[in-house]
Amino acid sequence: QKEVEQNSGPLSVPEGAIASLNCTYSDRGSQSFFWYRQYSGKSPELIMFIYSNGDKEDGRFTAQLNKASQYVSLLIRDSQPSDSATYLCAVNPTGNQFYFGTGTSLTVIP
Amino acid sequence: GAVVSQHPSWVICKSGTSVKIECRSLDFQATTMFWYRQFPKQSLMLMATSNEGSKATYEQGVEKDKFLINHASLTLSTLTVTSAHPEDSSFYICSASQGLAGDEQYFGPGTRLTVT
Repeated sequence: QKEVEQNSGPLSVPEGAIASLNCTYSDRGSQSFFWYRQYSGKSPELIMFIYSNGDKEDGRFTAQLNKASQYVSLLIRDSQPSDSATYLCAVNPTGNQFYFGTGTSLTVIP
Repeated sequence: GAVVSQHPSWVICKSGTSVKIECRSLDFQATTMFWYRQFPKQSLMLMATSNEGSKATYEQGVEKDKFLINHASLTLSTLTVTSAHPEDSSFYICSASQGLAGDEQYFGPGTRLTVT
């Protein structure tokens, strides 16, 4: 079983819609969760992190964490074509360990 | 804040030569640095984790004698691809972390290596 699992997609949504990206993880003791965005040919950039159960909002992005279900998601409201990228979920169980999912490819259709 | 640089951003070398890639944390002390490789349209593959002053921990299947990692200071780690071959052509990305529980990784811009 992989440490972090994501649907590879591709996920396509029309411009203005809500894109929902999901991630599950296996280490129940994990405390820190991150979402990175990676454009083609570029390195990943951090867009959100969440530590506590519930929702965390930052602009058009909302991260949702449910530790009981070992589930973390990212919602992108009012999706724009510039949001088209691969989104990587990462889990940090302890200090130096990071586990990345394989990423979900998102395409926002104008 | 939290800027990580890599140098060079791209390099072309001949088969059999060695290439060194530098990764620097510019505005914070990186206790831990990670090296990744990414082939086109594939996911990030962690190659190794290095802590300042210690030997790197390599992931299974990564040849430590071929991919030499040095993390001599809290702001600099280097990856040397020795005796490079065309199959080593890839996008190499470093990231840095302060190594604290819950701390995020900050990624460098990546180095595109082409071995001819």
